[in-house]
Amino acid sequence: DAGITQSPRHKVTETGTPVTLRCHQTENHRYMYWYRQDPGHGLRLIHYSYGVKDTDKGEVSDGYSVSRSKTEDFLLTLESATSSQTSVYFCAITGGQGMNTEAFFGQGTRLTVV
Amino acid sequence: GENVEQHPSTLSVQEGDSAVIKCTYSDSASNYFPWYKQELGKGPQLIIDIRSNVGEKKDQRIAVTLNKTAKHFSLHITETQPEDSAVYFCAASFTGTYKYIFGTGTRLKVLA
Repeated sequence: DAGITQSPRHKVTETGTPVTLRCHQTENHRYMYWYRQDPGHGLRLIHYSYGVKDTDKGEVSDGYSVSRSKTEDFLLTLESATSSQTSVYFCAITGGQGMNTEAFFGQGTRLTVV
Repeated sequence: GENVEQHPSTLSVQEGDSAVIKCTYSDSASNYFPWYKQELGKGPQLIIDIRSNVGEKKDQRIAVTLNKTAKHFSLHITETQPEDSAVYFCAASFTGTYKYIFGTGTRLKVLA
């Protein structure tokens, strides 16, 4: 299995509080992604990173911010959590050497906003 | 932007029968089409992929076909087994963006 660790694996938080999810990889892959998974919507891209301090928005980026200060860590922050952000969040990584290749996923973080 | 449609959303088959899942993509520049299997409580895992210069690819009981003109691709699973029960996702991507856009998923149930 690819070395991807998401933390925490489960979290319950209150509306309006800030939340940070962490993705840590040991593969030295260049590209990292945050997706959310919701019934009926599949996997939707929130943000992705193509290098240290290089990030870009995905299709559902509103209400989320990201940071990548080291190759191995990609943080997803919900500045002020809302109930609509209750979801399962997946981090993914790819090598991205010239041609698109397999994306490896973490185990997911189940976030509940009450 | 890129959009990927996936059908059906649920599929039940008898053990030993075949299963087919279909996806359509919108961006003609897409050139990489992976399929992922997600088991309960786990992250998706790649099961097969195809690039735009190939029309079909097989790996034992699974195969993927690509029709670039119609912009659709399909996953075929033959001789289904109970362990094939899972959620399957298709995705599309193209070189240069490294953005992977996923379909909405198909829940496959293989009935023993």
